[in-house]
Amino acid sequence: DAGVIQSPRHEVTEMGQEVTLRCKPISGHNSLFWYRQTMMRGLELLIYFNNNVPIDDSGMPEDRFSAKMPNASFSTLKIQPSEPRDSAVYFCASSFHIGGGTEAFFGQGTRLTVV
Amino acid sequence: TQLLEQSPQFLSIQEGENLTVYCNSSSVFSSLQWYRQEPGEGPVLLVTVVTGGEVKKLKRLTFQFGDARKDSSLHITAAQPGDTGLYLCAGYPGGGGSNYKLTFGKGTLLTVNP
Repeated sequence: DAGVIQSPRHEVTEMGQEVTLRCKPISGHNSLFWYRQTMMRGLELLIYFNNNVPIDDSGMPEDRFSAKMPNASFSTLKIQPSEPRDSAVYFCASSFHIGGGTEAFFGQGTRLTVV
Repeated sequence: TQLLEQSPQFLSIQEGENLTVYCNSSSVFSSLQWYRQEPGEGPVLLVTVVTGGEVKKLKRLTFQFGDARKDSSLHITAAQPGDTGLYLCAGYPGGGGSNYKLTFGKGTLLTVNP
């Protein structure tokens, strides 16, 4: 299995532009997580889906952020408009959740820089 | 929100030394996990502890889950430069139900010098 695949690996964009991050979870997994990692705040959970349905988006910082999971093999995180404070590494993770203690498998992340 | 506090935030030691890092919360977790993250990569699971008081060993690493399932520790014996990395604890909330929300502490950045 190729693991969780994220694209792009690096993104540099100008303030005000729309940014779309993409994630392909591991086939057969039923849960998908989007995290943001910064030195100051660590690894923050933005949103997670179970069976393609958003379960908890309380970590999404503002209305500028939106996430979708149209099918079991694809998810996007969109920032519109982007701001310099959105600069961070964004991780997607997936798991097959059957109870407590399920392992989350992470992609390699997208390093976003907003200038 | 269930917060996980990790300490210390940074730790720099010499090869061969022992160390312990901590993960604490005021909330109960159904399980706690420890992940290790290397630069440019996503976190990778080391271990999951589920039962209060549980101790698990992985070679030179020993993990313990507190009796009340609110805290955990990671002990490394005879650290090696290859142990260098960011160690993250993560937890699934307690209370039963179908809450799959996996939250992380900020991590302990460990540097083991040769």
